[in-house]
Amino acid sequence: DSGVTQTPKHLITATGQRVTLRCSPRSGDLSVYWYQQSLDQGLQFLIQYYNGEERAKGNILERFSAQQFPDLHSELNLSSLELGDSALYFCASSVGDALYNSPLHFGNGTRLTVT
Amino acid sequence: GENVEQHPSTLSVQEGDSAVIKCTYSDSASNYFPWYKQELGKRPQLIIDIRSNVGEKKDQRIAVTLNKTAKHFSLHITETQPEDSAVYFCAAWNTGNQFYFGTGTSLTVIP
Repeated sequence: DSGVTQTPKHLITATGQRVTLRCSPRSGDLSVYWYQQSLDQGLQFLIQYYNGEERAKGNILERFSAQQFPDLHSELNLSSLELGDSALYFCASSVGDALYNSPLHFGNGTRLTVT
Repeated sequence: GENVEQHPSTLSVQEGDSAVIKCTYSDSASNYFPWYKQELGKRPQLIIDIRSNVGEKKDQRIAVTLNKTAKHFSLHITETQPEDSAVYFCAAWNTGNQFYFGTGTSLTVIP
């Protein structure tokens, strides 16, 4: 168990809909990362938050947004869903200190299926 | 930004043989290099990491080497077992506090 909690585990929804994915980082970790992994693909970096503030943005679509709350949990909002958004979405957390590197710890992911 | 290249994309070895996966990076400011193993449908799990002040690190059957001059690092798995079959990702981290992942290597260990 990595200590990173993601809910829900599975999500099935229709095109055009909006969903919210939730992540609780490991205790003590201030940084949260979101990744998208399509079938047989690599880890596509979406966005990173550190202590409530956006730190870095990757290949995140305008239809997607995220935030990190004061209690450090994070939510990834996906709207106007398309079939191509079907993927495994991972949240990962780290201590996140800009000067001290520490490993990412991944949650078990949310599998999103858009029909 | 950083660019991490990983080779090969697929690798098949006989059980008991060694497997080597190589990654190169472009940003000399990168100073931390973790490796992750991902089994089918599961989360990536950290298996070993190395910092830029170290040239080699071992943990039982796995080892990682780093050549800062050439900007490449490698994962070595000895005495491979069927349970080593998975996708392996390398990553590089720099003081921008971002992780850059390689594209993954699908390792198959043939019994």
